[in-house]
Amino acid sequence: DVKVTQSSRYLVKRTGEKVFLECVQDMDHENMFWYRQDPGLGLRLIYFSYDVKMKEKGDIPEGYSVSREKKERFSLILESASTNQTSMYLCASSPLRTGAGYTFGSGTRLTVV
Amino acid sequence: RKEVEQDPGPFNVPEGATVAFNCTYSNSASQSFFWYRQDCRKEPKLLMSVYSSGNEDGRFTAQLNRASQYISLLIRDSKLSDSATYLCVVNGGSGGYNKLIFGAGTRLAVHP
Repeated sequence: DVKVTQSSRYLVKRTGEKVFLECVQDMDHENMFWYRQDPGLGLRLIYFSYDVKMKEKGDIPEGYSVSREKKERFSLILESASTNQTSMYLCASSPLRTGAGYTFGSGTRLTVV
Repeated sequence: RKEVEQDPGPFNVPEGATVAFNCTYSNSASQSFFWYRQDCRKEPKLLMSVYSSGNEDGRFTAQLNRASQYISLLIRDSKLSDSATYLCVVNGGSGGYNKLIFGAGTRLAVHP
């Protein structure tokens, strides 16, 4: 089974803190993605990566950055956490080929106070 | 206009009912289509891919209408365990990346 593992299930951080969310996949997938999910808004793509050290902005990249130093690991960084970044964060991975489905991690529920 | 649109529901149905969800997409170049299921406070999981000729997996049937750009999911003989949010998913259709676009989901509640 493909596994996508997110390091934390729940996180509480203070406004202004730098926050790291980690994601690791074990199926040698080229693509990795970070989404946030909010009620009524569905899944919104923050950033994605199709190769080591490569990254592309998604629909809502402001206030976030990413790092992909190894193929299996994709990190999401909140440079200075704000309360409007309170959300469920979901990591996903997929093979490079167009048309492949995504496998998601179990999510990190982040609360910024 | 959203790239993928779904009726948010909720659809409240009794056990044993047949229920259908529709979804429309805006990018005529899209080539890959899926239905995902998401349980409350859990991650989305792939339910089934949707093929041009239509496909069935047990009680679930998916249909694609390219001309009208809509996708449907039919669930027969609903079970309590089918209660979840169903996400319609379409690939981005360009750029060469495997970029999927997710609908906001349709919530299904099956009651005894």
